[in-house]
Amino acid sequence: KQEVTQIPAALSVPEGENLVLNCSFTDSAIYNLQWFRQDPGKGLTSLLLIQSSQREQTSGRLNASLDKSSGRSTLYIAASQPGDSATYLCAVKGSVTNAGKSTFGDGTTLTVKP
Amino acid sequence: DGGITQSPKYLFRKEGQNVTLSCEQNLNHDAMYWYRQDPGQGLRLIYYSQIVNDFQKGDIAEGYSVSREKKESFPLTVTSAQKNPTAFYLCASSIDHKASGTDTQYFGPGTRLTVL
Repeated sequence: KQEVTQIPAALSVPEGENLVLNCSFTDSAIYNLQWFRQDPGKGLTSLLLIQSSQREQTSGRLNASLDKSSGRSTLYIAASQPGDSATYLCAVKGSVTNAGKSTFGDGTTLTVKP
Repeated sequence: DGGITQSPKYLFRKEGQNVTLSCEQNLNHDAMYWYRQDPGQGLRLIYYSQIVNDFQKGDIAEGYSVSREKKESFPLTVTSAQKNPTAFYLCASSIDHKASGTDTQYFGPGTRLTVL
């Protein structure tokens, strides 16, 4: 059974700092890994999707990497801003043995202080 | 405006009552999903549907039921058999549930259910 872990559970940084969020998974037979942002009481917003054949994806100040062999992904946020404060979740879409279902981590809650 | 809508935003239920949460999408997506989120935790899959008139149980289907009579709609019923239904419920859709590396999930705004 796929398990997804996100460490740390919470992170607080001053504005302008570069930071890295971590996501690890136990079963490397995946189709893709997706990073989401969730604001309090809201739904999830997709940030980046990395296919299993890819190593990284970039969107603006965000860069996500994927290392399937080690079961790890990182989300790099450059020049953090207070508006980046939210919970960030990663989700791994499993292979056929997992019926293509997505497994979510518990998230990292980021606070960027002005 | 394209997207996924969920209603109501807040729902209160008395013990022993069934309630139905609405999820509608106009993205022309084949696949739809229901997730449950508890405080400080990630999402757990309740049910998913790959096509009209077909759906499969997720990891925590007990006490829930769904229907998929139209492509656009995937309502979730929380029955009295669900022992701890208080949670945040999220609906999602994607183009195709089949084994696809490019299949992005899009989420609705959620329904917060509270049992009184």
